[in-house]
Amino acid sequence: AQKITQTQPGMFVQEKEAVTLDCTYDTSDPSYGLFWYKQPSSGEMIFLIYQGSYDQQNATEGRYSLNFQKARKSANLVISASQLGDSAMYFCAMRGDQGGKLIFGQGTELSVKP
Amino acid sequence: KAGVTQTPRYLIKTRGQQVTLSCSPISGHRSVSWYQQTPGQGLQFLFEYFSETQRNKGNFPGRFSGRQFSNSRSEMNVSTLELGDSALYLCASSSGQGVNHEAFFGQGTRLTVV
Repeated sequence: AQKITQTQPGMFVQEKEAVTLDCTYDTSDPSYGLFWYKQPSSGEMIFLIYQGSYDQQNATEGRYSLNFQKARKSANLVISASQLGDSAMYFCAMRGDQGGKLIFGQGTELSVKP
Repeated sequence: KAGVTQTPRYLIKTRGQQVTLSCSPISGHRSVSWYQQTPGQGLQFLFEYFSETQRNKGNFPGRFSGRQFSNSRSEMNVSTLELGDSALYLCASSSGQGVNHEAFFGQGTRLTVV
């Protein structure tokens, strides 16, 4: 069975500092994709970054980067230079080769302090 | 390019009633998935449609159903509403079902059952 684990229910970070949100996963699928989403209080899920299981390089999108360690089955999100607008829930998700279904972790609530 | 549109944004229904939620995916996207988000259970997969066919179904009772039309718009229906059906219902659209296809979400429909 596929599973995503996010062990940090809540985190605080000072504005302009970097923060790492942890995500570990479990799957027996030979290929899979890992995703991070941001969910502000409005409820919309905003796609941030994607990492494929066969990608050699860690994914980066602006201030977001994904620290992918396949052997450890971890896909941590790194946000550089945090901004007040980064305060939100962050979800790690995985899609295996069984179709379009996404499996989500429980989320991490990030609060950025001025 | 328009994003994923979900209607209505908010709904209040009485126990025992039924409800229909609508999702219009991004133009050209043929895969639509539905998720239920509650504080207790987190994000749970309901079902996925691709080219008008249900490809995947989550572990929900038969009161939850859906369909997809030829223009890729999707609806989900919940009959005989229960208090526990109160949740944020999110729709996601993808261009395909592969592991590398990003899923883009709508703003969700917040359903309250009283």
